[in-house]
Amino acid sequence: AQSVTQLDSQVPVFEEAPVELRCNYSSSVSVYLFWYVQYPNQGLQLLLKYLSGSTLVKGINGFEAEFNKSQTSFHLRKPSVHISDTAEYFCAVSDSGGYNKLIFGAGTRLAVHP
Amino acid sequence: DVKVTQSSRYLVKRTGEKVFLECVQDMDHENMFWYRQDPGLGLRLIYFSYDVKMKEKGDIPEGYSVSREKKERFSLILESASTNQTSMYLCASSLWRGGKDTEAFFGQGTRLTVV
Repeated sequence: AQSVTQLDSQVPVFEEAPVELRCNYSSSVSVYLFWYVQYPNQGLQLLLKYLSGSTLVKGINGFEAEFNKSQTSFHLRKPSVHISDTAEYFCAVSDSGGYNKLIFGAGTRLAVHP
Repeated sequence: DVKVTQSSRYLVKRTGEKVFLECVQDMDHENMFWYRQDPGLGLRLIYFSYDVKMKEKGDIPEGYSVSREKKERFSLILESASTNQTSMYLCASSLWRGGKDTEAFFGQGTRLTVV
């Protein structure tokens, strides 16, 4: 069975500082990997996805993530955060040969302070 | 603009009531999903459907059922609501096998309170 572990439940950071949100997954098959963001009282919005090819994936709002197959990780990074990045971030995995159902981590709450 | 629409943003129901949560997508997607979101637990899959009248149990199906009579509509049913079903419910849809277009689109969520 697939599973996703987000290693930090909360990450406080100052504005304009870099940030990394960590995600590890377990799966015995080839996977697709995703990062979603949820702003308060809203649904989930896709930040970026890894399907195949280059292991460094760039997404919206200046975020990027690197797929590391040997470490089964897919960490999300941003070199300089803004107040508006305050949100909850979810890492997810799906079986590339299955129904595209997503298995989510518990989420990381990013709080950007002035 | 692609859209997944959930019929209610907020619902308050009494214990024992039968509750219907409706979801409609306009993208002609084959797959539709119902998730439950709770603090510290992330999103957990309740049920999903890959075709009309087809359904599969997710990780936490107990206490829930679903209905998919039309491709664009997927309903979640709480047969007899209980207080432990108080939660945020999120609907999503995706292509069957999307290739480079693989992505799930989410509705705004329904916050259900059972009293």
